[in-house]
Amino acid sequence: NAGVTQTPKFQVLKTGQSMTLQCAQDMNHEYMSWYRQDPGMGLRLIHYSVGAGITDQGEVPNGYNVSRSTTEDFPLRLLSAAPSQTSVYFCASSSMTGTYGYTFGSGTRLTVV
Amino acid sequence: AQKITQTQPGMFVQEKEAVTLDCTYDTSDPSYGLFWYKQPSSGEMIFLIYQGSYDQQNATEGRYSLNFQKARKSANLVISASQLGDSAMYFCAMRELSSPGTYKYIFGTGTRLKVLA
Repeated sequence: NAGVTQTPKFQVLKTGQSMTLQCAQDMNHEYMSWYRQDPGMGLRLIHYSVGAGITDQGEVPNGYNVSRSTTEDFPLRLLSAAPSQTSVYFCASSSMTGTYGYTFGSGTRLTVV
Repeated sequence: AQKITQTQPGMFVQEKEAVTLDCTYDTSDPSYGLFWYKQPSSGEMIFLIYQGSYDQQNATEGRYSLNFQKARKSANLVISASQLGDSAMYFCAMRELSSPGTYKYIFGTGTRLKVLA
């Protein structure tokens, strides 16, 4: 099924560990982004990309890295996990000027202990 | 300053009644887009409706309509004939130009709607 595939669904990390959240889409969307969702704070933009080789920072980029080597994939790397990064992470994609909004992945619930 | 403001953390509505969820926005981009998303308790994000800044008419999608008041910078979601399945968190979002050829989507903090039987 066409859409955004996000893995893993759940993850527990120890403080200081690193990991990569995977995101892939098969809709040939130029635009991809990562958000974190925390209670009472809505979705906050971490990083986004308008195409392969192009990324930019969002509202809360510190502690996260991204790269976009292909149109399909947009992984999010946590460099050294901290308890403050405990959150639900969403990957999303869209066409650049689409009127259909984002297609979201199913989310990753990350707990840092 | 908040780019997207949703002032209602929670709302209740009686089944079959209409409800309006408020959203105000702030941007200097003349060509922006406004979106509403629904997040049920299962956690997935569902796109509901879109309004472009140049659209003359309010967007409608089934029971959802967007009350777009450009001068007031408001984009309220109206749900008609509420159903129990409408109970969810609702997010307003805006797409605006962040640099030439590049857009950024910003979300509000959400409104939790509870439909009462």
